[in-house]
Amino acid sequence: DIVLTQSPLSLPVTVGQPASISCRSSQSLAYSDGNTYLNWFHQRPGQSPRRLLYQVSNRDSGVPDRFSGSGSGTDFTLKISRVEAEDVGVYYCMQGKQWPLYTFGQGTKVEIK
Amino acid sequence: EVQLVESGGVLVKPGGSLRLSCAASGFTFSTYTMNWVRQTPGKGLEWVSSISSSSHRIYYAASVKGRFTISRDNARNLLFLQMSSLRAEDTALYYCVRDAPGDYGLDYWGQGTLVTVSS
Repeated sequence: DIVLTQSPLSLPVTVGQPASISCRSSQSLAYSDGNTYLNWFHQRPGQSPRRLLYQVSNRDSGVPDRFSGSGSGTDFTLKISRVEAEDVGVYYCMQGKQWPLYTFGQGTKVEIK
Repeated sequence: EVQLVESGGVLVKPGGSLRLSCAASGFTFSTYTMNWVRQTPGKGLEWVSSISSSSHRIYYAASVKGRFTISRDNARNLLFLQMSSLRAEDTALYYCVRDAPGDYGLDYWGQGTLVTVSS
């Protein structure tokens, strides 16, 4: 199984400041079709996860452009350009290279300082 | 609007059985692969099982293979998870999740149904 390791696991942030979360994979997530199947999710307290990004950097409909994704191979990053209060919660990365045997990172809890 | 509504989660004793259901609406259910994903405070998010649109391809996580059975009823837009030989470690919030079209990923999630396995 592909193991995804996120860091940090806890991230206190100041409103208006940037934030960055890392996701490292135990093997390359590049697929034979040339795409890289790495999703990012945001889960607010008491809610189900909501997908933010797919294929590393493509934003889902309605996702603010302050969220961006980058990376390739085994190293990926989610960036929030200017954190807002509504961005609190837990962020997860997930790989789809071994579809349908999806695996998730442990999660990064973002809280406001 | 895509909606996935799970039901069936209860408190059950170890060794017991349970069937979860997921009612789908707002999209053409019969054309999508569907999944069950569970979440626990200790282990985080764990993919459990997947079923293709026509039910021809079914997959399970090693942790549930032989004990859980996924199925669907495309005429009624329903997804099921039959769970048997339940263990304490199966205690979790179970989500019904849609496979994303054109991507090896998951897009829409239900609100989840809580399964508690305890004596």
